[in-house]
Amino acid sequence: GENVEQHPSTLSVQEGDSAVIKCTYSDSASNYFPWYKQELGKRPQLIIDIRSNVGEKKDQRIAVTLNKTAKHFSLHITETQPEDSAVYFCAANSGGGADGLTFGKGTHLIIQP
Amino acid sequence: NAGVTQTPKFRILKIGQSMTLQCAQDMNHNYMYWYRQDPGMGLKLIYYSVGAGITDKGEVPNGYNVSRSTTEDFPLRLELAAPSQTSVYFCASRQPGQANEKLFFGSGTQLSVL
Repeated sequence: GENVEQHPSTLSVQEGDSAVIKCTYSDSASNYFPWYKQELGKRPQLIIDIRSNVGEKKDQRIAVTLNKTAKHFSLHITETQPEDSAVYFCAANSGGGADGLTFGKGTHLIIQP
Repeated sequence: NAGVTQTPKFRILKIGQSMTLQCAQDMNHNYMYWYRQDPGMGLKLIYYSVGAGITDKGEVPNGYNVSRSTTEDFPLRLELAAPSQTSVYFCASRQPGQANEKLFFGSGTQLSVL
């Protein structure tokens, strides 16, 4: 089955700086890679996703890049703000079947004022 | 639309007790999922269903059972609760197809087994 590795587990950045979170996946058949943000005590919320036919996708301060050859994808957050503090999860769709997403272990992003 | 609704939000069980976590969605989604989230870990798939009457095991199914008698409801049953089942449980749903892979999550059930 699919295996998703995520790094780092904790990331502390100064407000206004950029943050980068990296993930690798194992199943070359996976073709959908979402990123979820989870605030303390809340449900995961989709913030951005990318399909395997695209190398990069941007949405305001958030971007995701995908390297299919190397099987890794990254989340980039620019001009970080206090409200960006949360746990971020990457995921892959396990070859595109009905059995859902395989998640990384999460990155706790801390924005220092 | 209420989306995905989970009940209860919190529950404390004694070892060996049984309970059912309820999940309902009003978006007419065929695919439904149960995940568990342990501290410092990602979400792990327990069971999933692609439609009424069809269920299948995920990565961590031991100690759990599910049923899917209607499109809307997907309850998760714990028969003999163990401390290892202390976790936050999330139900999720989506439609089939590659254009519909966004998962919609419920608000979660925090379960403690003591």
